[in-house]
Amino acid sequence: EDKVVQSPLSLVVHEGDTVTLNCSYEVTNFRSLLWYKQEKKAPTFLFMLTSSGIEKKSGRLSSILDKKELFSILNITATQTGDSAVYLCAVEARRGAQKLVFGQGTRLTINP
Amino acid sequence: DAGVIQSPRHEVTEMGQEVTLRCKPISGHDYLFWYRQTMMRGLELLIYFNNNVPIDDSGMPEDRFSAKMPNASFSTLKIQPSEPRDSAVYFCASSLGGAGGFYNEQFFGPGTRLTVL
Repeated sequence: EDKVVQSPLSLVVHEGDTVTLNCSYEVTNFRSLLWYKQEKKAPTFLFMLTSSGIEKKSGRLSSILDKKELFSILNITATQTGDSAVYLCAVEARRGAQKLVFGQGTRLTINP
Repeated sequence: DAGVIQSPRHEVTEMGQEVTLRCKPISGHDYLFWYRQTMMRGLELLIYFNNNVPIDDSGMPEDRFSAKMPNASFSTLKIQPSEPRDSAVYFCASSLGGAGGFYNEQFFGPGTRLTVL
């Protein structure tokens, strides 16, 4: 059974800190790994990663994939209170399936 | 575009009642997904459609759950009879299938918060 595991489940830091969120996976026929941010409502897309070792970056957020060790990390530098959210990792398995398997999410709280 | 539209936004019902959740995907998108989110199990895919045809319903918990997509702009998820353990947020998402089967971003609706008493 395809599985995605995120850690930690919950993290509380102070504004300005740097955080690293982890995602490991076990899926057959891996296609891509995605990161989503969920504030109070619907998840919104952050990154899609398909190749090992290539960092994707958007402002203070960056992410990288290791297909050999089957994990990804999401880094947030100089955190702000607006970064407080649940961060979801999902993996697309099987060609053409468009089907995502989500992890439990990491609840990140940034205190001022 | 208005994005994915779901209704109702909140639903409170009693055990045993029928519940119908509705979704209007983004115009032009050919994939539609129904998810359920709970604290215990996270975000789970229930069923998804491609061009109005159900492709994978392996996530549907049991026969009490059914989903339909009569046309490209409307889908329903029905629970009959509802039980307290069905209480969750139900999300609908849509996407445009990529060329060659590559993944394209799924856009999520605001969700329906269902409470079954």
